[in-house]
Amino acid sequence: EAQVTQNPRYLITVTGKKLTVTCSQNMNHEYMSWYRQDPGLGLRQIYYSMNVEVTDKGDVPEGYKVSRKEKRNFPLILESPSPNQTSLYFCASSFSYNQPQHFGDGTRLSIL
Amino acid sequence: GQQLNQSPQSMFIQEGEDVSMNCTSSSIFNTWLWYKQEPGEGPVLLIALYKAGELTSNGRLTAQFGITRKDSFLNISASIPSDVGIYFCAGQPSLYNFNKFYFGSGTKLNVKP
Repeated sequence: EAQVTQNPRYLITVTGKKLTVTCSQNMNHEYMSWYRQDPGLGLRQIYYSMNVEVTDKGDVPEGYKVSRKEKRNFPLILESPSPNQTSLYFCASSFSYNQPQHFGDGTRLSIL
Repeated sequence: GQQLNQSPQSMFIQEGEDVSMNCTSSSIFNTWLWYKQEPGEGPVLLIALYKAGELTSNGRLTAQFGITRKDSFLNISASIPSDVGIYFCAGQPSLYNFNKFYFGSGTKLNVKP
């Protein structure tokens, strides 16, 4: 089954404790991205990747890092999480940058 | 960054009614997309539009890419309870940031049986 898989689905952690949210897709997609969803703001793009080893900032990249060492994986790293990063996060992928994206089911992060 | 203005923010309608929502941007877009999100899930693509003036249907859903390339609308005809969810418009600008996606803030649809 074609899917984007995120882990964990839920995480409660404390300020400053590094965390990684994994994202994996099985559709051989080139383009992958991360979004955060906050009430009243819709989805905002954090980072995106056009292909392996090619990543770039979205609209809200501060406090996040990503890497794209393999085509299927695109982890999101919070080196020193803060409470304002409490949000619902989505990973998405598509065949290319100008194609509609397929979304994962989301990761709800709470930073205390 | 780019902002998409989506309206209305929420709607409460009776089953069987038609629904209309729209999205506007401050700059020209190459692509307009409409997604639906249900609780606990990620957004699911409903309709993709690639040309100005394009009108595309998917069952009871119809979406149009505005002639000015700065707007799009989504219509749902004869709504049913399973239409409940949050509908998002999304798009890609034609000039700067053409490889980024921007989303509206969503329209929350409630359907009374």
